[in-house]
Amino acid sequence: GESVGLHLPTLSVQEGDNSIINCAYSNSASDYFIWYKQESGKGPQFIIDIRSNMDKRQGQRVTVLLNKTVKHLSLQIAATQPGDSAVYFCAETTGTASKLTFGTGTRLQVTL
Amino acid sequence: DSGVTQTPKHLITATGQRVTLRCSPRSGDLSVYWYQQSLDQGLQFLIQYYNGEERAKGNILERFSAQQFPDLHSELNLSSLELGDSALYFCASSVGGTSGNEQFFGPGTRLTVL
Repeated sequence: GESVGLHLPTLSVQEGDNSIINCAYSNSASDYFIWYKQESGKGPQFIIDIRSNMDKRQGQRVTVLLNKTVKHLSLQIAATQPGDSAVYFCAETTGTASKLTFGTGTRLQVTL
Repeated sequence: DSGVTQTPKHLITATGQRVTLRCSPRSGDLSVYWYQQSLDQGLQFLIQYYNGEERAKGNILERFSAQQFPDLHSELNLSSLELGDSALYFCASSVGGTSGNEQFFGPGTRLTVL
C-alpha cells in the first residue's frame, strides 16, 4: 500500500546550523507534498508545499527539495533556531483527493 | 492560532462509552477533515466533509461517525470506546475540498479511554 516514511526519528542540531529532514514516499502517483511542523500540545502547522512538476521550492529560511526519481523529499531549514524545535511531518496527496497521508515524523532538537 | 477551534480540549471516559468531539472550521472554509494521532499509528486521515456532504473516507472504524452541519461545524462521534481509541483527534479545515488547498489544523482533542 502507499506509505510515506521518514529516515530518522530524531535530529539534533546546534543553533545556527542548517537542518535537513528527509522523507521517502512509495506512491509514484503522489503529486503534491507538504511539510508540517507540530509543536508540543499543538496541531500540525503548514510550513511549505511543492507540486510534483517542481523539484525545489523556497520559503523563508526553508527549502523543500523533491526527487521524483528516487521518491524522496527533504526539508532544509537554514540557521536553525530554538523555536524550530518540533516534530516535522511530510505529507502527500494523490490526484484531486485532498486527504493527507502523513509520514512518521522527525523530532528536531535544537541545542544551544 | 489557526482559526480552527475544537472542543473539548481533553476528554477522559471509560470503555464502552460514547463521546462527541466538536470542530468549528475557519471562517469561509467549506471543507472539514478529521485525523487521529496515536503513538502506534501516527497521524491518520479519518474522514472529510465538504459543504455538508461526505467527500472522502479513510481508515475510520464503523464505531466512529461524523457529520457536518449547515453552519459548517462538524462533530465526530466515537462509540463503544476501547482503550486503543485513546489518541489525539485533530480537525482541519480548508477553503476547497481538493488537493492543493492548505489545511489548517485545530489544537486537537486529547481522548483518554480508561
